[in-house]
Amino acid sequence: NAGVTQTPKFQVLKTGQSMTLQCAQDMNHEYMSWYRQDPGMGLRLIHYSVGAGITDQGEVPNGYNVSRSTTEDFPLRLLSAAPSQTSVYFCASKETGAGGYTFGSGTRLTVV
Amino acid sequence: SQQGEEDPQALSIQEGENATMNCSYKTSINNLQWYRQNSGRGLVHLILIRSNEREKHSGRLRVTLDTSKKSSSLLITASRAADTASYFCATDFSGGYNKLIFGAGTRLAVHP
Repeated sequence: NAGVTQTPKFQVLKTGQSMTLQCAQDMNHEYMSWYRQDPGMGLRLIHYSVGAGITDQGEVPNGYNVSRSTTEDFPLRLLSAAPSQTSVYFCASKETGAGGYTFGSGTRLTVV
Repeated sequence: SQQGEEDPQALSIQEGENATMNCSYKTSINNLQWYRQNSGRGLVHLILIRSNEREKHSGRLRVTLDTSKKSSSLLITASRAADTASYFCATDFSGGYNKLIFGAGTRLAVHP
């Protein structure tokens, strides 16, 4: 199994550009989440989903959109990139019931 | 914020010593989880302790939970250089929605 796959691994955007960070999992997990991690800090929850068609906001949702049309995919869209969105973005998934999340390897985004 | 807060922020020890990290949180939780992050990598789930449990073991890891004090501790016994990483606690207070909020983490350095 590939687990949680994030693409791209690195991205540089200009201020005002939009883009989509891709996240796919092949474990048939119902729960998926997006986090951002800034230097020396923990992870902050952006959006999460409890199943296909169901999403909700986390701690820092402004400037980001998500959708969950399939169980496997949970893309994160940056609407109009800003330097404050420079960060490492992690996608994670888990199955229903107790247990921890499986994380992807991250996307390092720089907005100039 | 519902975030857990780890203490200390950084810990430096010698191989063979024990490492203890603490986590405090603010509201009632369903469970508390600990994750490890090696430099530049994604997070790896270590252990989950439910709100009705007081102690849990996994290999060299021992986790305690005191819901009256809203605190948890992670003990790594007989530390190895390979344990060098950042350790994060994450709390799920979302009533079954598996919405995890992370603390800022403890950076552990184990010296040979």
